[in-house]
Amino acid sequence: EAGVTQSPTHLIKTRGQQVTLRCSPISGHTSVYWYQQALGLGLQFLLWYDEGEERNRGNFPPRFSGRQFPNYSSELNVNALELEDSALYLCASSFSQGQETQYFGPGTRLLVL
Amino acid sequence: GQQLNQSPQSMFIQEGEDVSMNCTSSSIFNTWLWYKQDPGEGPVLLIALYKAGELTSNGRLTAQFGITRKDSFLNISASIPSDVGIYFCAGLTSGTYKYIFGTGTRLKVLA
Repeated sequence: EAGVTQSPTHLIKTRGQQVTLRCSPISGHTSVYWYQQALGLGLQFLLWYDEGEERNRGNFPPRFSGRQFPNYSSELNVNALELEDSALYLCASSFSQGQETQYFGPGTRLLVL
Repeated sequence: GQQLNQSPQSMFIQEGEDVSMNCTSSSIFNTWLWYKQDPGEGPVLLIALYKAGELTSNGRLTAQFGITRKDSFLNISASIPSDVGIYFCAGLTSGTYKYIFGTGTRLKVLA
């Protein structure tokens, strides 16, 4: 069974640009979570989508946004990139209701210059 | 953002030694998860705990859900070089639908 997949694997952008990251959950999972992991630090919760709706949001500015599609895949959009947005962005999926065990994808490493 | 207290922050051990790490929180959790992350990769789930007092093993790994529901422990027996990585705990509080992650324990195994 395929795990969580993310694309692209690596990305280099400059300050002020916009970026879109993509995630496909494990088949059967309806919840998708996004996390930011800055170099050497722990995971910071960004967003949780379930059944196409945003269910919860971490302490990040509005320029971090996303959506979930009918096939449960998800996009994370970051506008007006700042240098401190450089990080590994991890997507995880689970069965519904948000209390199920989360399984992570390999991540997208974003570098903002 | 909110995080759990995880200790130790890093460990250097000899191959074959046992390892212990723990996470503590001021909040009560309903679920504890332990993950391992290799450099540049996503975390991989090791063990999930759902009941206070629960003790669960996965090969050489054993984790326990603390009785107070505010802590959890992970033990690795007879460590091997491939155990190298960062180990994260994650806790879920009832009703929040949001996992809180520990700060990580960086493990290095010396052959």
